[in-house]
Amino acid sequence: IQLTQSPSLLSASVGDRVTLSCKGSQNINNYLAWYQQKLGEAPKLLIYNTNSLQTGIPSRFSGSGSGTQYSLKINSLQSEDVSIYFCQQNYDSPLTFGSGTKLEIK
Amino acid sequence: EVQLVESGGGLVQPGRSMKLSCAASGFTFNNYDMAWVCQAPKKGLEWVATISYDGSSTYYRDSVKGRFTISRDNAKSSLYLQMNSLKSEDTATYYCARHRGSSNWFAYWGQGTLVTVSS
Repeated sequence: IQLTQSPSLLSASVGDRVTLSCKGSQNINNYLAWYQQKLGEAPKLLIYNTNSLQTGIPSRFSGSGSGTQYSLKINSLQSEDVSIYFCQQNYDSPLTFGSGTKLEIK
Repeated sequence: EVQLVESGGGLVQPGRSMKLSCAASGFTFNNYDMAWVCQAPKKGLEWVATISYDGSSTYYRDSVKGRFTISRDNAKSSLYLQMNSLKSEDTATYYCARHRGSSNWFAYWGQGTLVTVSS
């Protein structure tokens, strides 16, 4: 299953609400997660099962979607949110990731 | 605190072998499935292999089947990846990752070890 993320680059201001998208090549039945990877660091799980917040992740992060279309929303963007965000599907093997959205601060 | 520390990466010639290790601490290792995930330079993430909590089941992506072997030693809280017949396209940072419970989400990751396959 291929995951297509858009946009590939997103530039926003501190305090903005941003939305990142992930589209599957087929229905993935909510088996979708989001990871954050800061420069030079390992990825961090943010959201799993489309909308479940991983322990310790700030509530400004939220996920939604169904079928083939999913999104990650960040409310009140903070400077520390500068990262690349990847989606991952767990519906079918092999487990696959999207190519990522790079989030920058204006 | 969950910690995963990879080791064993480096420069290796095409066709040769390399074994990666991951030392785990801060959790009951034999309760969790474990995985290797790789990331080629400036590229996205790619799942490589998963091993069940007791080592009885293993799963691989097609491109590494027959070349890579994932294994674990629960007595030593360690995960391994034996990589044989290495190709240039195997060049990547390899992350050790702990599954989230019995799911196929990756809740904890190590810092990664870089494998460069080049002559």
